[in-house]
Amino acid sequence: DGGITQSPKYLFRKEGQNVTLSCEQNLNHDAMYWYRQDPGQGLRLIYYSQIVNDFQKGDIAEGYSVSREKKESFPLTVTSAQKNPTAFYLCASSPFGISGQPQHFGDGTRLSIL
Amino acid sequence: AQSVSQHNHHVILSEAASLELGCNYSYGGTVNLFWYVQYPGQHLQLLLKYFSGDPLVKGIKGFEAEFIKSKFSFNLRKPSVQWSDTAEYFCAVNARYGGSQGNLIFGKGTKLSVKP
Repeated sequence: DGGITQSPKYLFRKEGQNVTLSCEQNLNHDAMYWYRQDPGQGLRLIYYSQIVNDFQKGDIAEGYSVSREKKESFPLTVTSAQKNPTAFYLCASSPFGISGQPQHFGDGTRLSIL
Repeated sequence: AQSVSQHNHHVILSEAASLELGCNYSYGGTVNLFWYVQYPGQHLQLLLKYFSGDPLVKGIKGFEAEFIKSKFSFNLRKPSVQWSDTAEYFCAVNARYGGSQGNLIFGKGTKLSVKP
């Protein structure tokens, strides 16, 4: 079955540590996205990528970094500069870039601070 | 800046009651509109979408939504809810600027709890 796989499901970070969240898709979609979901805040866009080797900042990119070396993979690194990283992180993809097509979502990674 | 407002944070209904969840957006141009649902422990799924044409859109599981351009609204409705509709519902909008699309903007979500 085609879909989006996020790992790990739960992740714990120590103060001052960088952590990387994995997102893989086998839908052959061009565009991939990272969102942060906080209770009562909805989804906020962190970064997005429309094609390989290209990505753009979303609304809340500070303290995060991404790479897009392969079409199917879009890992997100939460750096130590992100002062409030505890949240639920969702990865999504869509077929033709920012074309207005619906996005498909992964199951999410819940990040907590130790 | 564009924004999406969902009026109710938490709605509690009994089974068989009718549902209407409000969604308003702030962009005056052409938009694509979506409702997503997140069932407990599951990923976000598309419920329905509006791009153009008939402003009354039917989605999965008996849901429908009506786009009213003059009111900048895209309210979600279901005539008779079931316990299995308990979930969080998100309205989302992306604006079209000429030939290009903006990013998807989400509302803050509405939690629906259906009592059996």
